[in-house]
Amino acid sequence: GQNIDQPTEMTATEGAIVQINCTYQTSGFNGLFWYQQHAGEAPTFLSYNVLDGLEEKGRFSSFLSRSKGYSYLLLKELQMKDSASYLCAVGDSNYQLIWGAGTKLIIKP
Amino acid sequence: ETGVTQTPRHLVMGMTNKKSLKCEQHLGHNAMYWYKQSAKKPLELMFVYNFKEQTENNSVPSRFSPECPNSSHLFLHLHTLQPEDSALYLCASSQEGPSSYNEQFFGPGTRLTVL
Repeated sequence: GQNIDQPTEMTATEGAIVQINCTYQTSGFNGLFWYQQHAGEAPTFLSYNVLDGLEEKGRFSSFLSRSKGYSYLLLKELQMKDSASYLCAVGDSNYQLIWGAGTKLIIKP
Repeated sequence: ETGVTQTPRHLVMGMTNKKSLKCEQHLGHNAMYWYKQSAKKPLELMFVYNFKEQTENNSVPSRFSPECPNSSHLFLHLHTLQPEDSALYLCASSQEGPSSYNEQFFGPGTRLTVL
């Protein structure tokens, strides 16, 4: 079967760095997405990785290792507004997105 | 604002009611999606429409009936729902249907409660 695993919840301190991991087992691979979803709001696109390596975009970076079926989202200089759920999704062989359950990130002052 | 709107934002209905959810996208996209989001569970893809044609129906019960009159509008018609259908229903759109790059833009969702 197809499976995406990510931690249910994480807590971090304002100004710190946090890494949210995602492991996947899918039939085929056509890219990995990270989305951010604030409570009661729509998920919004953060990053896309299709090749191995690190993609940096401001305070957020996303890493992919296809051989290990592994990705992480790195958030630097955490701000209170970063409190949200972070969803990992993988495109399978049919380009359908398979979603993880999301990681709820709690930022404390 | 993501360019995808959904109405209503909240809906409470009895098991014998009939209601419809509406989604509209202002992005010129050709593909639209319905997802169900339950607490602490992955997003469940329900239906996919690509150029107004339904291309995916992930074993969704017949009490959920989608309609896509054009590339900008998507409806989800609900009837004789069960309490376990209570969830957040998200609509999304993408430039094309499932393809090599499938960034999806989501609406804010309809919070549905079935009594």
